[in-house]
Amino acid sequence: DVKVTQSSRYLVKRTGEKVFLECVQDMDHENMFWYRQDPGLGLRLIYFSYDVKMKEKGDIPEGYSVSREKKERFSLILESASTNQTSMYLCASSAGQGGGYTFGSGTRLTVV
Amino acid sequence: GESVGLHLPTLSVQEGDNSIINCAYSNSASDYFIWYKQESGKGPQFIIDIRSNMDKRQGQRVTVLLNKTVKHLSLQIAATQPGDSAVYFCADSPPWGANNLFFGTGTRLTVIP
Repeated sequence: DVKVTQSSRYLVKRTGEKVFLECVQDMDHENMFWYRQDPGLGLRLIYFSYDVKMKEKGDIPEGYSVSREKKERFSLILESASTNQTSMYLCASSAGQGGGYTFGSGTRLTVV
Repeated sequence: GESVGLHLPTLSVQEGDNSIINCAYSNSASDYFIWYKQESGKGPQFIIDIRSNMDKRQGQRVTVLLNKTVKHLSLQIAATQPGDSAVYFCADSPPWGANNLFFGTGTRLTVIP
């Protein structure tokens, strides 16, 4: 069964910390995505990547960066965590054009 | 930008009844549509998809209807069960930059036993 794995289900970090959220997919997908999900706001795209070492900003990239050194791994980095980054973070991957995404189970991040 | 929305944020149905969840999209060039189900504490899971050259597609207990004239998409769930309680998202993809999906905000379906 195809899989997108997010390394942590729950995470609590302090304001100002640098936070790494890891995502790994085993489907050899080219495309990977990071979303955050907040009540009433739905899924908002933070960053995405169509290939190794490439990245594109989504709708809300401020305060975040990403890294894709290997095809299967896409990391989301919060350079200096703030309380307004408390959210559910979802990673997804897709094979290519015109197809759906496979999502991970999500990481619920709380910044205190 | 792309706008995909839902008519109702919440929907309650009796167990055994049929459910209909609606979605409107704004980009007439969209050619791929997909429904996801998200249970509490989990990531969204694929339910069913449809391409713009079709009006209807059926899966197991689910049917997706696409009306391109009014840019409307619906998900029908037959004989709704308690396990169907979840948030349902629609998403669409334009033919350009078709690696990206645009998501609606979701409808929370509650099944009453």
